Amino acid sequence: TQLLEQSPQFLSIQEGENLTVYCNSSSVFSSLQWYRQEPGEGPVLLVTVVTGGEVKKLKRLTFQFGDARKDSSLHITAAQPGDTGLYLCAFTGTASKLTFGTGTRLQVTL
Amino acid sequence: GAVVSQHPSRVICKSGTSVKIECRSLDFQATTMFWYRQFPKKSLMLMATSNEGSKATYEQGVEKDKFLINHASLTLSTLTVTSAHPEDSSFYICSARRLRTEAFFGQGTRLTVV
Repeated sequence: TQLLEQSPQFLSIQEGENLTVYCNSSSVFSSLQWYRQEPGEGPVLLVTVVTGGEVKKLKRLTFQFGDARKDSSLHITAAQPGDTGLYLCAFTGTASKLTFGTGTRLQVTL
Repeated sequence: GAVVSQHPSRVICKSGTSVKIECRSLDFQATTMFWYRQFPKKSLMLMATSNEGSKATYEQGVEKDKFLINHASLTLSTLTVTSAHPEDSSFYICSARRLRTEAFFGQGTRLTVV
């Protein structure tokens, strides 16, 4: 059973469109991280959300941590082809182990 | 950010042979290193956690005799896939972290067993 379920699994949109990716769980987390991974490379950390209800912005990306700290969302405004990649939420558990969600593949076309 | 180097980036080996993948933290000492496996278009699955000087801790379902992990120093961990078979073909990624800091990832190794 995957602790972190992401939706949608795959999203194909055109440049300029907006989108939201969701990361859901029945567990409560002290924090969640979001990563982006491009093909053939390792994931790169985008943001860490810590406080319930917290909203963080990174240029066109807006991250929100649910009030109950069980879920998180990533909203991208005016998507660009450079946003294409695999988006992963993750949490740090016991022994500092980083566990990833199921992932959302985003494809942005011209 | 810190740099984690993984080598090789791609390797093709014959069925039955062993392959070693190296993970180095170039500019910091990593108290813990992690090894992940990733199937095409899927998320990363944690295989094992290694701490310098001690035996690796494997996740449930991961064969420790198949995937040998050695963490000989604070800057180097190795993953050896022994007696590789085509089903071991995958993308393997390491990460390293210092105490209570974020994890940094290597660029991954694409293993193809023919």
